[in-house]
Amino acid sequence: DAGVIQSPRHEVTEMGQEVTLRCKPISGHNSLFWYRQTMMRGLELLIYFNNNVPIDDSGMPEDRFSAKMPNASFSTLKIQPSEPRDSAVYFCASCTGVSGANVLTFGAGSRLTVL
Amino acid sequence: QQPVQSPQAVILREGEDAVINCSSSKALYSVHWYRQKHGEAPVFLMILLKGGEQKGHEKISASFNEKKQQSSLYLTASQLSYSGTYFCGTKNNDMRFGAGTRLTVKP
Repeated sequence: DAGVIQSPRHEVTEMGQEVTLRCKPISGHNSLFWYRQTMMRGLELLIYFNNNVPIDDSGMPEDRFSAKMPNASFSTLKIQPSEPRDSAVYFCASCTGVSGANVLTFGAGSRLTVL
Repeated sequence: QQPVQSPQAVILREGEDAVINCSSSKALYSVHWYRQKHGEAPVFLMILLKGGEQKGHEKISASFNEKKQQSSLYLTASQLSYSGTYFCGTKNNDMRFGAGTRLTVKP
């Protein structure tokens, strides 16, 4: 298996622009997580899905952030409009279910820089 | 609510030992440990599912005290390759991580 695939790996954009990050989970994994990592705040859980349904989006910082999972093999995280404070590494991770025994596999991350 | 890790950072010489602690104010059903190298994604190390359980991975082991809601990661005879940031995570449907412990092993 190719693992969790994220794109783009790097994105540099200007304030106010729309940013879309993409994630393809491991086939057969039915839980998907989006994290944001910064030096100041560590690994923050933004949202997670189970069977394509958003379960908890309480970590989404504001209405400028939205996430979708239209099918089992694809998810997007969108920021509109982007701001410099959104600069971070965004990780997508997947696992086989919500049980505490299920281990997360992370994608390589998308490094976002907003100028 | 995310778990609390200590210490924030550790510097070791090769061959020395280290302990990283993780605690939670909520009941722990499982504890996951991950390591992240600079510029890379977190990678799974081990999982502990039962109170008092200890797991091992080469010279890295961990314990889990369900009653105290604590877990500890033990790194013995550290190697240069152990350098990185270690995260504990608690999974109860979602997965929340501690702030991380940056471990540096020097020759």
